[in-house]
Amino acid sequence: DTEVTQTPKHLVMGMTNKKSLKCEQHMGHRAMYWYKQKAKKPPELMFVYSYEKLSINESVPSRFSPECPNSSLLNLHLHALQPEDSALYLCASSQDEGADYGYTFGSGTRLTVV
Amino acid sequence: QQPVQSPQAVILREGEDAVINCSSSKALYSVHWYRQKHGEAPVFLMILLKGGEQKGHEKISASFNEKKQQSSLYLTASQLSYSGTYFCGTEANTGGFKTIFGAGTRLFVKA
Repeated sequence: DTEVTQTPKHLVMGMTNKKSLKCEQHMGHRAMYWYKQKAKKPPELMFVYSYEKLSINESVPSRFSPECPNSSLLNLHLHALQPEDSALYLCASSQDEGADYGYTFGSGTRLTVV
Repeated sequence: QQPVQSPQAVILREGEDAVINCSSSKALYSVHWYRQKHGEAPVFLMILLKGGEQKGHEKISASFNEKKQQSSLYLTASQLSYSGTYFCGTEANTGGFKTIFGAGTRLFVKA
């Protein structure tokens, strides 16, 4: 299995809702990432997990809460989002954290906040 | 700090060559290259590590000049399937390794 699977593919949520995005990989990768991508912009790093521990938080607002229950799963819990949070949320994984490894991206969750 | 990519956009005819450049003001450990088609996830093309190496992937190759903190992606004899947005991602150790992406180069190959 050489894929990163993200669910759901599309999500519409109200500003008072709580929802979660899910990411799964079975490649034995030990680093996992959340990126946010707005239209016609590059992916923007949000969080890095390495060996199931949060390694980097790019000063992301607390309405985004990541969780890594095990080495194959990565969740992003969403609460009280704003319309400007609407974007494509990409999960990625790599063999390890560090400069030597390329990323495998999932196909993303397209989030719309209304 | 975000790497700088150039050009912003390129239009090619099938069979033509192109070069996309990526530069950083920071000392780099590595440079990644990805291609993203509209509505799809970025796809990893190659990674270049410190040491000024050159790598190849089908008719796409890249170089990394560590001293100048620059990388170039070379697309030879372009095919229609090469169309998409190309991102370079640079890794610098700033209290943890993280890949920061350039703004992207939009490549369109026409028949």
